[in-house]
Amino acid sequence: NAGVTQTPKFQVLKTGQSMTLQCAQDMNHNSMYWYRQDPGMGLRLIYYSASEGTTDKGEVPNGYNVSRLNKREFSLRLESAAPSQTSVYFCASSEIAGSYGYTFGSGTRLTVV
Amino acid sequence: GNSVTQMEGPVTLSEEAFLTINCTYTATGYPSLFWYVQYPGEGLQLLLKATKADDKGSNKGFEATYRKETTSFHLEKGSVQVSDSAVYFCALKGGATNKLIFGTGTLLAVQP
Repeated sequence: NAGVTQTPKFQVLKTGQSMTLQCAQDMNHNSMYWYRQDPGMGLRLIYYSASEGTTDKGEVPNGYNVSRLNKREFSLRLESAAPSQTSVYFCASSEIAGSYGYTFGSGTRLTVV
Repeated sequence: GNSVTQMEGPVTLSEEAFLTINCTYTATGYPSLFWYVQYPGEGLQLLLKATKADDKGSNKGFEATYRKETTSFHLEKGSVQVSDSAVYFCALKGGATNKLIFGTGTLLAVQP
């Protein structure tokens, strides 16, 4: 099925460990996004990529890095995980402009102990 | 800057009750407005949208009307079902960027 695929679905890390969350879309969308979802705070934008080759910080970028590997793939890296990064992470994609909404992946539940 | 405010939950209703979830926004220009739904353990799905004033978005029995005069986009459904239990997010997109700005979400629990 067409859509946004995230891996892994679940992950437990120890404080200080690193990991990369993977995201791929097969809808030929230009823009891709990483959000985190925390109770009572809705979704907060971490980083986004308006088009292949560009990335920009969102609302809460500290502690994260991203790579837009190609038009399909947009990865999120935690270099040194902290308990405050325990969250559910969602990747999304959209057309570059217009009134289209986003298509979301099913999320990665990350726990940092 | 642009922002979205939606009513806090949880909202608990009996099956077949009428639903309203309030959403108001602050934005420059003419944003597009969206409602997303998140079922337990899943990602967000687009429920409906409206792109200009007085537009009505509708899907699966849900409706919302873009009211520029009151800067609102309230979600309504005439008769909810247990299967509608989920978290509902109001969102807007506008201006020079393509970024969606979300409200904090409203949990709806429908009891049989």
